[in-house]
Amino acid sequence: EDQVTQSPEALRLQEGESSSLNCSYTVSGLRGLFWYRQDPGKGPEFLFTLYSAGEEKEKERLKATLTKKESFLHITAPKPEDSATYLCAVQAGNTDKLIFGTGTRLQVFP
Amino acid sequence: DAGVIQSPRHEVTEMGQEVTLRCKPISGHDYLFWYRQTMMRGLELLIYFNNNVPIDDSGMPEDRFSAKMPNASFSTLKIQPSEPRDSAVYFCASSANTEAFFGQGTRLTVV
Repeated sequence: EDQVTQSPEALRLQEGESSSLNCSYTVSGLRGLFWYRQDPGKGPEFLFTLYSAGEEKEKERLKATLTKKESFLHITAPKPEDSATYLCAVQAGNTDKLIFGTGTRLQVFP
Repeated sequence: DAGVIQSPRHEVTEMGQEVTLRCKPISGHDYLFWYRQTMMRGLELLIYFNNNVPIDDSGMPEDRFSAKMPNASFSTLKIQPSEPRDSAVYFCASSANTEAFFGQGTRLTVV
């Protein structure tokens, strides 16, 4: 069964303190791995898509990487406005649906 | 494009009543997904459509839930009769077979 596990569940950082969020997956034939950001009371907002091991994508203070078993979302010198829940999702090769992890709730304090 | 539009944003209803949630996907997207989000279970896929045809409804919890997509620009998710355990945020998302774009969700409370 396709499965996505995110860790940690929650992360508290001081402003400027870099860290990484983990997304481990088990899927039959990965078509794509997706990262989303969700703010309270809003829908998930698309960040990145990764398709193959070794691929990296960057956007401002965020960098996503992918291996054959997991993905990392690296946050460099975070700011309070980076506080949100970060969701990871996978799309298997034999289906079009996205399977989501339960997310990492990030809080960045000034 | 205004993005995925869902209505209503909030719905409070009494147990046993029928509830209808509505979604307008992004123009040109041929996939539409209905998700439910709770604190306990996170985002769960209920059903998805491709070119207005239901492809996978294995996530629909029971027969009280039904979804339709009469045309490319409109979909509904209906719960009849509603129960308190249906309380959650329901999201609609659309895609062109790559990343999915989500609406703002409908927060449903069944009392």
